[in-house]
Amino acid sequence: NAGVTQTPKFQVLKTGQSMTLQCAQDMNHEYMSWYRQDPGMGLRLIHYSVGAGITDQGEVPNGYNVSRSTTEDFPLRLLSAAPSQTSVYFCASGGDLSPYEQYFGPGTRLTVT
Amino acid sequence: GEDVEQSLFLSVREGDSSVINCTYTDSSSTYLYWYKQEPGAGLQLLTYIFSNMDMKQDQRLTVLLNKKDKHLSLRIADTQTGDSAIYFCAGTSGTYKYIFGTGTRLKVLA
Repeated sequence: NAGVTQTPKFQVLKTGQSMTLQCAQDMNHEYMSWYRQDPGMGLRLIHYSVGAGITDQGEVPNGYNVSRSTTEDFPLRLLSAAPSQTSVYFCASGGDLSPYEQYFGPGTRLTVT
Repeated sequence: GEDVEQSLFLSVREGDSSVINCTYTDSSSTYLYWYKQEPGAGLQLLTYIFSNMDMKQDQRLTVLLNKKDKHLSLRIADTQTGDSAIYFCAGTSGTYKYIFGTGTRLKVLA
């Protein structure tokens, strides 16, 4: 199993550009989520999905869209990039109930200039 | 809202014990976790504890939970240079929606 994969690893955008961060998992997990990691702030939940066709907002959803058309894929779209979205983005998945362990991808480092 | 706090940095000598502390505000947290993040990588689950437990030991790792003070700690015995990483505590009341702490960067000196 590849686990959770994310592409790209690094990305530089100009303010106002849009892009999609890709996330895929091959563990047949129902739950997937996107976090952003900022220095001194830990990880904050952006959006999550409990299954194909079902998505919901997390703590910091503004400026991001998601969709879940398949169990495997959960892309994150930045509609109009802003410097405040400079961060490291992690995708995670989980498939077992207790203890709700999450498996994380390697991350995408995004810089918005 | 819920909050989870950790100190930002910890430095220890190789072979010593490391103790990483975490305090949380959400008394409904049923599961409490310690995740490890190595440089350039995602987070990996180290261990977890249920809220009805006081202690859990797993090889070099000991987790202590003080529910009254809402305090969680992770002790790493015989700390090695490979333990250098960022350690996150997190909690959940029984879903995948975690509340993460800010992370503690552990530096192990040879």
